[in-house]
Amino acid sequence: DVKVTQSSRYLVKRTGEKVFLECVQDMDHENMFWYRQDPGLGLRLIYFSYDVKMKEKGDIPEGYSVSREKKERFSLILESASTNQTSMYLCASTGTAPYEQYFGPGTRLTVT
Amino acid sequence: DQQVKQNSPSLSVQEGRISILNCDYTNSMFDYFLWYKKYPAEGPTFLISISSIKDKNEDGRFTVFLNKSAKHLSLHIVPSQPGDSAVYFCAAGRPGGGNKLTFGTGTQLKVEL
Repeated sequence: DVKVTQSSRYLVKRTGEKVFLECVQDMDHENMFWYRQDPGLGLRLIYFSYDVKMKEKGDIPEGYSVSREKKERFSLILESASTNQTSMYLCASTGTAPYEQYFGPGTRLTVT
Repeated sequence: DQQVKQNSPSLSVQEGRISILNCDYTNSMFDYFLWYKKYPAEGPTFLISISSIKDKNEDGRFTVFLNKSAKHLSLHIVPSQPGDSAVYFCAAGRPGGGNKLTFGTGTQLKVEL
């Protein structure tokens, strides 16, 4: 079974703090994705990576950056957290099946 | 602009009846469509998919129908069970998109006893 894990289930940070969210997949998947989920807005793509050290902006990259130094690990960085970044953050990866993404359990981030 | 739309934010159905969740899309380049199910405090899990070359795909209680001319797909759950209560997301992918998906806003399904 594919397993995608995220470093924290719940996180509370203060405005202005630097925040790291980490995602690890164990199936040697090429593509990894970071989304945020907000009520009424669905899942919105922040960044994705199709290979080590490769990244592309998604639909809402502002205020975020990413790092992919190893194939299994994809990190999302909030350089200076703001209250409007309070959200559920979801990491996903894809393998050989077209488009089918496997998701981690999510990190509920609250910025106060 | 919202390329994948789920116009019903919520749906309530009685146990044993059919649940029909709808999804509309605007981008004719989409060639693959998926449904995901999400419980609170968990990540979405893949449910069923359909390629644009088909108009129906069935897996147990779940059937997805695709109407390309109307740019519309629907998920049918028969019979509905209380464990089906969750948020359902429709998603679409297109060639050359790097396996990226565009998700709808979700429909909260509640199956009542």
